[in-house]
Amino acid sequence: GENVEQHPSTLSVQEGDSAVIKCTYSDSASNYFPWYKQELGKGPQLIIDIRSNVGEKKDQRIAVTLNKTAKHFSLHITETQPEDSAVYFCAASGNTGNQFYFGTGTSLTVIP
Amino acid sequence: DSGVTQTPKHLITATGQRVTLRCSPRSGDLSVYWYQQSLDQGLQFLIQYYNGEERAKGNILERFSAQQFPDLHSELNLSSLELGDSALYFCASSPRRAGGTDTQYFGPGTRLTVL
Repeated sequence: GENVEQHPSTLSVQEGDSAVIKCTYSDSASNYFPWYKQELGKGPQLIIDIRSNVGEKKDQRIAVTLNKTAKHFSLHITETQPEDSAVYFCAASGNTGNQFYFGTGTSLTVIP
Repeated sequence: DSGVTQTPKHLITATGQRVTLRCSPRSGDLSVYWYQQSLDQGLQFLIQYYNGEERAKGNILERFSAQQFPDLHSELNLSSLELGDSALYFCASSPRRAGGTDTQYFGPGTRLTVL
């Protein structure tokens, strides 16, 4: 089945700096890659997603890039704010119905 | 707020017991997914239902079962509970059937503690 790896597991940045989280996947048939943000005590919240027919997608301070050849995709957060502090999960889907395979998460801390 | 509701929010029980977790999907969503989140395992897919029928199975133990009712709400039943079953259990929903890659919207979760 699909295997998704996520790095780094923890990330600390100064407020205003950028943060980058990277994921790799193993199944070339995967075609949908969402990113979720999970705050303490809450469920994962979709923040951005990308499909395999697109190389990059941006939504205000958040962007996702996809390299299908290398089978990796990345989350970019610019001008980070303390409220961006949370655990971020990447996922891949598409080879077997709608089952999502999640990365192990990145704990992001934005230092004021 | 994703529109997915889960009850109860917290559940504390003893080993060997049985519990039922409940999920109501977003209005109009036909698919429901159950996930387990533990500290050392991350988010693990358990099972998916679409319009009352089981569609996909992941790492779900035989002691666990689920169903989706005609009103589309779903229940996850966990029996013969063990200490290792302590985790967060999330429900997610999406509009379409298996075969399409739809966004999944997660509920707030149920925290299960087995003592």
